[in-house]
Amino acid sequence: AQSVTQPDIHITVSEGASLELRCNYSYGATPYLFWYVQSPGQGLQLLLKYFSGDTLVQGIKGFEAEFKRSQSSFNLRKPSVHWSDAAEYFCAVGLSGNTPLVFGKGTRLSVIA
Amino acid sequence: IAGITQAPTSQILAAGRRMTLRCTQDMRHNAMYWYRQDLGLGLRLIHYSNTAGTTGKGEVPDGYSVSRANTDDFPLTLASAVPSQTSVYFCASSQGQGRPQHFGDGTRLSIL
Repeated sequence: AQSVTQPDIHITVSEGASLELRCNYSYGATPYLFWYVQSPGQGLQLLLKYFSGDTLVQGIKGFEAEFKRSQSSFNLRKPSVHWSDAAEYFCAVGLSGNTPLVFGKGTRLSVIA
Repeated sequence: IAGITQAPTSQILAAGRRMTLRCTQDMRHNAMYWYRQDLGLGLRLIHYSNTAGTTGKGEVPDGYSVSRANTDDFPLTLASAVPSQTSVYFCASSQGQGRPQHFGDGTRLSIL
């Protein structure tokens, strides 16, 4: 069955430190890939997306993600985390055709001073 | 500002009551979705619609129904609410399947 795995339920980083959130998927074909962020009490906001082409994609708020076909991964990175980045992060995968996106269960990011 | 509007923002409801959560989008997106979000379970798809007049079942459709009479509106109905339906409900829309989804701010529903 198709699935999206975010192995880390909760990550704590210090402000100014680098960040990497992991996402792995299991699909036969190369899917469309997304990262969303959810601040407390809010809906999900799209950070970045990959459809094709350059495997390193830039998003909003200084985030980037790299698609690695050989590892079926789409990890999210940020070189220097700010306290305002504390939120829940969701990876999502989509296929062409009439099937909805499949979301991972999320990674909660805490930022400490 | 273009986007998705959900109503109400929160509701406390007695078990057994009927409840309709409203969702309206003004982006002329073809596809719309309803999710529930519960701690530790992430987002789970309840129902979706690829275009007006069509609907499909998601991962957790039991106890919920939807309709899509036009492009903009996608209401979610709980015919007879049960406590296990206590959750935060999110509506989303996209131009089509596989495309980025835009989310509303959610409805927090408590069933007592």
